[in-house]
Amino acid sequence: AQSVAQPEDQVNVAEGNPLTVKCTYSVSGNPYLFWYVQYPNRGLQFLLKYITGDNLVKGSYGFEAEFNKSQTSFHLKKPSALVSDSALYFCAVRPSPGSGNTGKLIFGQGTTLQVKP
Amino acid sequence: GAGVSQSPSNKVTEKGKDVELRCDPISGHTALYWYRQSLGQGLEFLIYFQGNSAPDKSGLPSDRFSAERTGGSVSTLTIQRTQQEDSAVYLCASNRAGVTYNEQFFGPGTRLTVL
Repeated sequence: AQSVAQPEDQVNVAEGNPLTVKCTYSVSGNPYLFWYVQYPNRGLQFLLKYITGDNLVKGSYGFEAEFNKSQTSFHLKKPSALVSDSALYFCAVRPSPGSGNTGKLIFGQGTTLQVKP
Repeated sequence: GAGVSQSPSNKVTEKGKDVELRCDPISGHTALYWYRQSLGQGLEFLIYFQGNSAPDKSGLPSDRFSAERTGGSVSTLTIQRTQQEDSAVYLCASNRAGVTYNEQFFGPGTRLTVL
């Protein structure tokens, strides 16, 4: 079965420190990987995606993510956290078209990031 | 419009009533998706539209749920005979077809509460 796992319900980090939000996936073929952020009472906002090429992708608000095919991981990172980064983060995977996928995203359960001053 | 819009933003209904949720995608986006976000189940895919047809309905949880899309634009998700377990935030997303790696753009959601 295709799935995405975010092993941490919550990540706490002090402002100015680096942050990592973990994501692993299990899908057939070569997946497309995404990170979204959700602020309270808002929809999901796109942060970044990995399709192919360089394993380190950069996105909005200073976030980046590293694709590791051997570990089937796509961890979200930021060198220096801000209090305003506090939100709910979702990792998502879209199986490649060759596996019969129609475009739907499979989401992880979400990780709450809490950045303290 | 500038983004995906959904209405109503909040809906409170009594068990057994029918509800309709509306999604207006970004202009020119032919692909439209419905998802459900609930505490116990996380974010789940419900249905995918390409134009007015729905090639993937695999996520609809029961036959009480249905959706349609007219004119390749606005979509309506209908839940008949609502149950308390239908309480969730219903999210709509859209993107351009033909570019399979495009990110999806999400609306603000409709929070449904079934009493």
